[in-house]
Amino acid sequence: QVQLVESGGGVVQPGGSLRLSCAASGFTFSTFAMHWVRQAPGKGLEWVAIISYDGTTRYNKDSVKGRFTISRDNSKNTLYLHMNSLRPDDTAVFFCAREGPDPYSSYYDYWGQGTLVTVSS
Amino acid sequence: QLVLSQSPSASASLGSSVRLTCTLDRGHHNYAIAWHQQQPYKGPRFLMKINSDGSHTKADGIPDRFSGSSSGADRYLTISSLQSDDEAAYYCQSWGSDIQVFGGGTRLTVL
Repeated sequence: QVQLVESGGGVVQPGGSLRLSCAASGFTFSTFAMHWVRQAPGKGLEWVAIISYDGTTRYNKDSVKGRFTISRDNSKNTLYLHMNSLRPDDTAVFFCAREGPDPYSSYYDYWGQGTLVTVSS
Repeated sequence: QLVLSQSPSASASLGSSVRLTCTLDRGHHNYAIAWHQQQPYKGPRFLMKINSDGSHTKADGIPDRFSGSSSGADRYLTISSLQSDDEAAYYCQSWGSDIQVFGGGTRLTVL
């Protein structure tokens, strides 16, 4: 069955860096677009970044542009989020999500369980 | 700008039915949306996609108690025969060119 397992979260000081990973299994990873979505404590869901199935197209939310980079390694079935210049308002649970197979829609059909990033001094 | 609006909270009794609403802004009234359920301390789970004509595609394993419909700019999620583990936050999601948007979520309490 489809599984998405995030890792790499932790406590980091403001201005620090972190790399999140999302290990995918149970499907052909290289044929699906992937996303990162975050959720601040007690808040709703917020889209962060998307990467196309082959990694050639990427988009970020405006507030993370220049600081966060989404990437993927299809040989390792793994999605990444490289985060630099972290700020306290980046504190959140980060989820990876698979974009569904419908070519005319971009909804998420599978989610991971999330990894917590805490930015604090 | 694509905006999705949801009531922050809803409640209904065990065994009854509840209808949750997600409203698209006027400029995007014909967009499709997806519903996701997030139980406490868990990752979200995709429930279904709903088109503007009310047709919907459910995720595998989602019981028939969950159904979707549409009217104008409103997209609905109806849950019948409410069970205790339906108590969760429900988020709608939509998408456009290079954009993904979520509603603020509705927290459902099962009484």
